[in-house]
Amino acid sequence: GAGVSQSPRYKVAKRGQDVALRCDPISGHVSLFWYQQALGQGPEFLTYFQNEAQLDKSGLPSDRFFAERPEGSVSTLKIQRTQQEDSAVYLCASSFAGLAGVQFFGPGTRLTVL
Amino acid sequence: TQLLEQSPQFLSIQEGENLTVYCNSSSVFSSLQWYRQEPGEGPVLLVTVVTGGEVKKLKRLTFQFGDARKDSSLHITAAQPGDTGLYLCAGADEGQTGANNLFFGTGTRLTVIP
Repeated sequence: GAGVSQSPRYKVAKRGQDVALRCDPISGHVSLFWYQQALGQGPEFLTYFQNEAQLDKSGLPSDRFFAERPEGSVSTLKIQRTQQEDSAVYLCASSFAGLAGVQFFGPGTRLTVL
Repeated sequence: TQLLEQSPQFLSIQEGENLTVYCNSSSVFSSLQWYRQEPGEGPVLLVTVVTGGEVKKLKRLTFQFGDARKDSSLHITAAQPGDTGLYLCAGADEGQTGANNLFFGTGTRLTVIP
């Protein structure tokens, strides 16, 4: 596709539910990043993949958060037993290895936990 | 945690006025990027500055990277309503994995009144 796409765009979950957020990166982009953006704040790094390898997951806030990219393309961010504090916009970005620092962002998934 | 602070947090000005947004940190970054984010969308890259003291111009926008590569400024001349949005600075730090992890600032929400 022409850009990074994410689905769903909006997700409402009841507290305790599990959710899965999908990211389709730009074709050929090796690197994939997930960020969490709370209302009125800048994005905060969650995790990073290079191809299918998750090289950095230092930003994941708890063990309820899990991300995967099994074939080195599409990625899924899963949040188990959602809590109200998980409400945020989850952004995915991809970059082409060698273009240092140039990340292209998707539109995000707005998660609201009731 | 590499904290980037932006000021002001909110800015509302009349069309035609000039403005400057500041991005400050105690950390040194390999590069610094400025993004603009519209509601419901992901951040879009405006510019990357790499060299200390570097100045880049993008039409009515002027970006400067501090000599010590810890701070940056964005100056907009003759602001237009189309400049309205959330402006984010992000410092790039090449982590152990070689990827450029981005540390985002707190954001400046600009409103240009016609």
